[in-house]
Amino acid sequence: NSKVIQTPRYLVKGQGQKAKMRCIPEKGHPVVFWYQQNKNNEFKFLINFQNQEVLQQIDMTEKRFSAECPSNSPCSLEIQSSEAGDSALYLCASSPGQANTEVFFGKGTRLTVV
Amino acid sequence: AQSVTQPDARVTVSEGASLQLRCKYSSSVTPYLFWYVQYPRQGLQLLLKYYSGDPVVQGVNGFEAEFSKSNSSFHLRKASVHWSDSAVYFCAGLNNYAQGLTFGLGTRVSVFP
Repeated sequence: NSKVIQTPRYLVKGQGQKAKMRCIPEKGHPVVFWYQQNKNNEFKFLINFQNQEVLQQIDMTEKRFSAECPSNSPCSLEIQSSEAGDSALYLCASSPGQANTEVFFGKGTRLTVV
Repeated sequence: AQSVTQPDARVTVSEGASLQLRCKYSSSVTPYLFWYVQYPRQGLQLLLKYYSGDPVVQGVNGFEAEFSKSNSSFHLRKASVHWSDSAVYFCAGLNNYAQGLTFGLGTRVSVFP
């Protein structure tokens, strides 16, 4: 069973509001991913980290989304100004690293922008 | 993986029957391949993974999958399903960490008594 912890499970925001969600990766996992899953089950890769450093992020993330994974603190994903199209399930995942490519997911934060 | 295709959006089976879910990948190199299951209001749970070696891999809860390089496929199977197997199943591929996982659109499995 995955030990990736995501909070909150549900988040409701008005358009234009900030939305922040957190993720505690599994202990000892240096690689962290954020994905957006929409209602059509399409997964969009947002950003990933290795030991607090950004490995890759998409353009969408660079504009309105911000994320960080500080040492000894939860990782976070924040949407600066929420839009209706941001309503989705946001999934955090962690992995032990290159030697073992298993990727474990949390239960997600379901964001609803009203 | 550059793309992952799950051709069946929905599959309905009777309890006790066998199940096969199809997955095809498109990639210039053979990716690492995974099957995940998602229950309602839950995240993704890893069922099994393939890196190399024996093309048939065993997973949790009686699931297994078979990799075929010639067919670019990684189909999931279960000999006898239970009502609790009703869920959405996702096939995913990983070429490298920088690209992240590439997912199919999932197959919704409904098991009827």
